[in-house]
Amino acid sequence: NAGVMQNPRHLVRRRGQEARLRCSPMKGHSHVYWYRQLPEEGLKFMVYLQKENIIDESGMPKERFSAEFPKEGPSILRIQQVVRGDSAAYFCASSPDYSYEQYFGPGTRLTVT
Amino acid sequence: EDQVTQSPEALRLQEGESSSLNCSYTVSGLRGLFWYRQDPGKGPEFLFTLYSAGEEKEKERLKATLTKKESFLHITAPKPEDSATYLCAVQANSGYALNFGKGTSLLVTP
Repeated sequence: NAGVMQNPRHLVRRRGQEARLRCSPMKGHSHVYWYRQLPEEGLKFMVYLQKENIIDESGMPKERFSAEFPKEGPSILRIQQVVRGDSAAYFCASSPDYSYEQYFGPGTRLTVT
Repeated sequence: EDQVTQSPEALRLQEGESSSLNCSYTVSGLRGLFWYRQDPGKGPEFLFTLYSAGEEKEKERLKATLTKKESFLHITAPKPEDSATYLCAVQANSGYALNFGKGTSLLVTP
């Protein structure tokens, strides 16, 4: 049973460019969560999605960040006009309908130059 | 506001030297407390979920316990491969987000 998949694993963007991070949940999981881990800080919740719906985006910065989980295909976290402060590891997690346990992917490490 | 504090920040043990990691929390209505292990450059690996005070769970050399204010992760006779950062997180009844502590970095030397 394949785990949560994220790509790319490493992403380098120049200031002002767009970053697109992809997440495929575990098979049978319909709940997706995005977290950000800044250097020397803990994991911070960003957004919780189900298929075609954003359930909770209370941790998402109000500007430049958006997320989607379409009916078909992976969940995407999009960061527009990246700045150096966006450099971090971004983790996706998924959970099944019958459990609150969240299973994490390997992360995407974003570096903004 | 929910808060999770883990101690110590770092712990160095000799192989076979048992110890405990602490996770203190405040949350308005606990749905669950979660323990994860994270290796450098990797995503958190799920270990345990605890839902109510008094609950205990075990997996190999690890045992997690829960009270109304804190959780302990006991490591019995650790091995070098247990070296990792151990993360604690709480989930409130009001939502689905996990609120993480900053972790305890464990190093087990041969």
